[in-house]
Amino acid sequence: GIQVEQSPPDLILQEGANSTLRCNFSDSVNNLQWFHQNPWGQLINLFYIPSGTKQNGRLSATTVATERYSLLYISSSQTTDSGVYFCAVERRSGGYNKLIFGAGTRLAVHP
Amino acid sequence: DTEVTQTPKHLVMGMTNKKSLKCEQHMGHRAMYWYKQKAKKPPELMFVYSYEKLSINESVPSRFSPECPNSSLLNLHLHALQPEDSALYLCASSPQGGGANVLTFGAGSRLTVL
Repeated sequence: GIQVEQSPPDLILQEGANSTLRCNFSDSVNNLQWFHQNPWGQLINLFYIPSGTKQNGRLSATTVATERYSLLYISSSQTTDSGVYFCAVERRSGGYNKLIFGAGTRLAVHP
Repeated sequence: DTEVTQTPKHLVMGMTNKKSLKCEQHMGHRAMYWYKQKAKKPPELMFVYSYEKLSINESVPSRFSPECPNSSLLNLHLHALQPEDSALYLCASSPQGGGANVLTFGAGSRLTVL
C-alpha cells in the first residue's frame, strides 16, 4: 500500500518561531489534507490541497503532486499551535475514496 | 451546524459489557466514518458508510458492529471487547457519498476496556 511519511516526528519551538513540516507519499494520490489534533484529541482540517499553495492566516501549505510531497508552514508560532499535525492522502479503493494518515509531527510550542 | 457530535466523551466498560458509541451530524453529509486511534498513533480507518450503506469494512473484528440508522446518525456497538481495544474512537463525515474529500471530525469517544 501507499506509504505516507512525515518529518520531523517531534518538534519543539519557542513562541514566535517559524517551522516547516514535510509529508512525503510513495504513490500518486487523489488529494491531500493536513490536520491538527489538539491535546484533547480534536482533529481539525487545516487544508485540503491536491496541488499548489494555500494560505490561512499564519499557516500555509504547498503540495507538489508530481514530486509526491507536501509542506506545511507555521509562522510566528503560538502555544495554541501545540499538538500533532497529520498529513492524510486520499486513495481510491474498491470504488470508494479512503483517507490514509501519516504518523504525524508532534509539535510543542513553549512561551 | 458544522459539527460532528460524539457521545459519550468517555466510556469505561468491562469485557462482558455491551455498550454503544453514538455520532451525529446535521450538515447533510452523505458519508460517515469510524476511526480508531491508539495513543501516539495516527487514526486508523474502521468503517465507511456511504448513503447509509456500509461501503468499507477494514477487516474489523465482529465485536465492533456499526449501524447507520439514518443519514445523520452513526452508531458503533461494542460487545465482548478486549483491553487492547482501549483507544480514542473518532467519527467523521464528508459531503460526498464516494467518501474522503474534506472530512469533519468529532471530538472523539475515549474508551477504556477493563
